[in-house]
Amino acid sequence: GNSVTQMEGPVTLSEEAFLTINCTYTATGYPSLFWYVQYPGEGLQLLLKATKADDKGSNKGFEATYRKETTSFHLEKGSVQVSDSAVYFCALRNSGNTPLVFGKGTRLSVIA
Amino acid sequence: DVKVTQSSRYLVKRTGEKVFLECVQDMDHENMFWYRQDPGLGLRLIYFSYDVKMKEKGDIPEGYSVSREKKERFSLILESASTNQTSMYLCASSLTGDETQYFGPGTRLLVL
Repeated sequence: GNSVTQMEGPVTLSEEAFLTINCTYTATGYPSLFWYVQYPGEGLQLLLKATKADDKGSNKGFEATYRKETTSFHLEKGSVQVSDSAVYFCALRNSGNTPLVFGKGTRLSVIA
Repeated sequence: DVKVTQSSRYLVKRTGEKVFLECVQDMDHENMFWYRQDPGLGLRLIYFSYDVKMKEKGDIPEGYSVSREKKERFSLILESASTNQTSMYLCASSLTGDETQYFGPGTRLLVL
């Protein structure tokens, strides 16, 4: 079946530190991959996505590259800010109109 | 902008009560989803719907039912609430052909 595994949190970083949140997946076929972010007290919102191998999604300084050979989609940011404190979810969707499959989420806290 | 609204942000109910959680989207999306979010478990899909009057079971449908009488509204029903249904409930919608899901702010339900 389809599944997503992401690194367990919480992750605590100082402002301007480099961020990596690991995400690997198992899927049949060729899924699309997503990162969603949930700020405190809010629902999830799409951060970035990639629909095929070697695609790079980017938004708000965050990046992730679809690596088919390692079945990974790691989230990176060069310099985090306090406002990036949130829970980050990796997700996949297989072809067709199937629902998203989410990882368990990684809580990030950035301290000034 | 897509807007997904949920009827309550916080709800307190007693064991055995029938509970209705309402979700409305204003962008004419065909697809709607109900998830529950629990610490350490991430998001788990309860039910989803691809069209009016259609419903599909997700990963954890037991103890829940849904209703989709109108395209814009998707209701989650707890027939007889139990304490293990205390959780954050998130609704989402998407347009067929667009992989992005748009989430509501969530309803935090406490069952006493």
